[in-house]
Formats: sequence, C-alpha cells, structure tokens
Amino acid sequence: KQEVTQIPAALSVPEGENLVLNCSFTDSAIYNLQWFRQDPGKGLTSLLLIQSSQREQTSGRLNASLDKSSGRSTLYIAASQPGDSATYLCAVTQGGSEKLVFGKGMKLTVNP
Amino acid sequence: GAVVSQHPSWVICKSGTSVKIECRSLDFQATTMFWYRQFPKQSLMLMATSNEGSKATYEQGVEKDKFLINHASLTLSTLTVTSAHPEDSSFYICSAKPDRPYSNQPQHFGDGTRLSIL
Repeated sequence: KQEVTQIPAALSVPEGENLVLNCSFTDSAIYNLQWFRQDPGKGLTSLLLIQSSQREQTSGRLNASLDKSSGRSTLYIAASQPGDSATYLCAVTQGGSEKLVFGKGMKLTVNP
Repeated sequence: GAVVSQHPSWVICKSGTSVKIECRSLDFQATTMFWYRQFPKQSLMLMATSNEGSKATYEQGVEKDKFLINHASLTLSTLTVTSAHPEDSSFYICSAKPDRPYSNQPQHFGDGTRLSIL
C-alpha cells in the first residue's frame, strides 16, 4: 500500500528565505507526482505535476524535483513571501489509476 | 482555466439529517469525478470514484449506503451523506478529471464543503 510522508508537519520562516519541502513515498512505481497548495478552509490548487519519466518541473519561483528510485520529491520555493503561507500537499498516482494518495501536508508560515 | 464548483461551502445540521453536496465542472466535461474527505491535520482520503452513467466505486471502509453518489451528467456529481452523525463532521472535497480533449490535464478540485453535525 502506497504511503506518502511529508516532514516536517509545519515550518515557520522569515520572508525572503529559500525553502525546500520534502515528500517521500514508499512504492516507487508511481505514474506521476503532484504538489498542491491548500489555503485554510479551501480546496486544492495544483502547483506542479511531474510525470514519472521527468526529473523536475518549474513554475515561477517554484521548482519540483523527482527521484523515483529513492521515493523522494522536493519542492523548492525561492525568495519566500508572506503570500506563500499555506499548507503544501504532495500526492502520487500509480499506473492505470487516477487515484491520488496524499501526504498529510506541511503548513508553511512566512513571516514578514 | 478549468473550474470546479462545489456547493454548499458550509453546512451545519442536526444529527439524523441527510445532506447533499454538489460538485460541478463549469467549463469542461468530466466522466470521472472523485470525492475526498479530510479530517483536521490529516491527509485527504479518497472516499469514492464517481463515474457518469454507472455506479460509483467506493474505497475500502467507506459505506456506500451512507455516502450515496450520483453522477447523472458529465458536469455534475452529488454526494449525499445519509442520516449524518457527529462523526461524519469533516471537510469534503470533490475533484473532476477532464475528458478529451483536455484529458492530459490533472484533476481540478472544488473549494470543499465543511460539514458540521450537531
């Protein structure tokens, strides 16, 4: 059974720092991996999607990498801003299924 | 961009009441939609996969008679929590997987429904 872990559960940093968020998964036979953002009481916004054949994806200040063999992904946030404060979730799908298996998320607080 | 509308956003009701939550894809068709549940400080957990024109597929441990899913059109799925009890209080989120020609897109999520059973 696939399990997705995000450690730490929470992180508080001053504005301007470069951040690395970690995600690990137990079964390396994934189809793709996604990073989401969730604001309090809201749904999910997809940030980046990495196919299993890809190593990384970039969007603006965000960069996500994937090392499928070791079961790890990182989300890099450059020059963090208070508006980046949210919970970040990592999720994977496995071949032939659209089912997303989520981690518990990491609550990020960027202080001005 | 693709938008999924979920309604209502917040429900408070008495124990024993049945509650219906709607999930609509506004600018695309979705044969497949998903229903998730999220308890505080926990992961989103998939409850069921909703398929237009056929029965939903429920995950292990989810009672199909308690959580009724209807996917009557390519843009609408509904989740009815029947005879809700306080332990059903949670945050329910739906998502929709676009059909062709946008099937290369990932699932799009609604804003969720906060359900509180008194």
